[in-house]
Order: sequence, then C-alpha cells, then structure tokens
Amino acid sequence: DAGITQSPRHKVTETGTPVTLRCHQTENHRYMYWYRQDPGHGLRLIHYSYGVKDTDKGEVSDGYSVSRSKTEDFLLTLESATSSQTSVYFCAISAASGTDTQYFGPGTRLTVL
Amino acid sequence: LAKTTQPISMDSYEGQEVNITCSHNNIATNDYITWYQQFPSQGPRFIIQGYKTKVTNEVASLFIPADRKSSTLSLPRVSLSDTAVYYCLVGDDSGNTPLVFGKGTRLSVIA
Repeated sequence: DAGITQSPRHKVTETGTPVTLRCHQTENHRYMYWYRQDPGHGLRLIHYSYGVKDTDKGEVSDGYSVSRSKTEDFLLTLESATSSQTSVYFCAISAASGTDTQYFGPGTRLTVL
Repeated sequence: LAKTTQPISMDSYEGQEVNITCSHNNIATNDYITWYQQFPSQGPRFIIQGYKTKVTNEVASLFIPADRKSSTLSLPRVSLSDTAVYYCLVGDDSGNTPLVFGKGTRLSVIA
C-alpha cells in the first residue's frame, strides 16, 4: 500500500470552529488531492495540488482552503465549519496527472454539530 | 473531460459474472478509460485501465468497442467480497486536471 496517512481519523467539532485535516505521504508523489464523500454524491474533488505551493480548486471548493508547503504534506482547512461539511474526507496522491493511478488514504470522518 | 454514465446500483448472486457498463459518448481521441473499486469504509483503489479492445488482469476484464463510446467492466465469478462501488473515469494526461469520479455503481453480491 502507498504510504499515505490522514490525521485525525475522526473528529467532532462545532459549527463555526476552524478545522484542519492533514494528509501525509512518503511516496514523494507530485500530485495530491482532497475529496469529500457523501451519500448520494459519490466522490467529489475539493482541491488538488500539482507541486509545492501549487494548488487549484475542484468542483466543491467553497468553504475550504488548502496549503502545501512541502512535498509530503497537504493540509485542508475549514475556516469556519458548517454542518454541511459533515462528511468523509479522503486524501489521494499520484505521481502524474490525468490517467495516472491515484492512491487513497484511509479517510477522515468529520462531524460538524 | 468526457461525461460518464453508469447504473446507480446492481445486484448479483455469488459465482455469477457481473458486467458493469459505462457510457461515455463524447470520449476524445486521447482519452483512456479507468475503473476504480471502493470497498465500504475505504478509499477507492485502481483496478483496470484501457484504451481500446480488451484488457485483462487478475481482478477484472475491460471491454471497449471500436467506437469507444462505452466500456464494460467484467468481474468473473463474483464473491461477497466484491461488494463495492465501482467508478468509471474517462480522460487524458494533458494538463493538471484530475479525472472525475462521479457517483459510481454500487454492486451488491448476494449469497
């Protein structure tokens, strides 16, 4: 399995609080992704990174920001969490873009009360 | 990126062959077709990729007709452990934009 860890694995927080999720990889892959998964919506891309300090928005980026200051870490921040952001969040990595295989982390279950 | 359409769900009995078809009418010349599998409480994992005709590996086969407007993922003799969501993705390697996963097909294997 690809070396990808996500922390925390579970988190419960209250509306309006800031939350940061961390994705850490040991594969030295250039590309990193954050997805959310909700019942009935499948897997939706939030943000992705194509290099250190290079990031771009996905289809559901509103309310989220990301940072990548080094190759191995990709942070997802909810500046002011809302109940609609209750979800399972997956991080993924790939060596190249497009058709290259994405390897997924174990996921983080976030509950916003 | 080419839009894909898959059935929302499918049921199958153990031991049967399962075929999941994905429609991608506006597939471009440089696009590849990629399938991922997601077990409950896990992230998706790559299972197979192809460009045309047939690709087979230890997990599945992928059939792509000449016009490439659809593709079929074939799982031989499924077991309960094949219960998962299967995603069809279509796209090429140009630029940095990742492929779109969509909602996938939920396969339930029944004993």
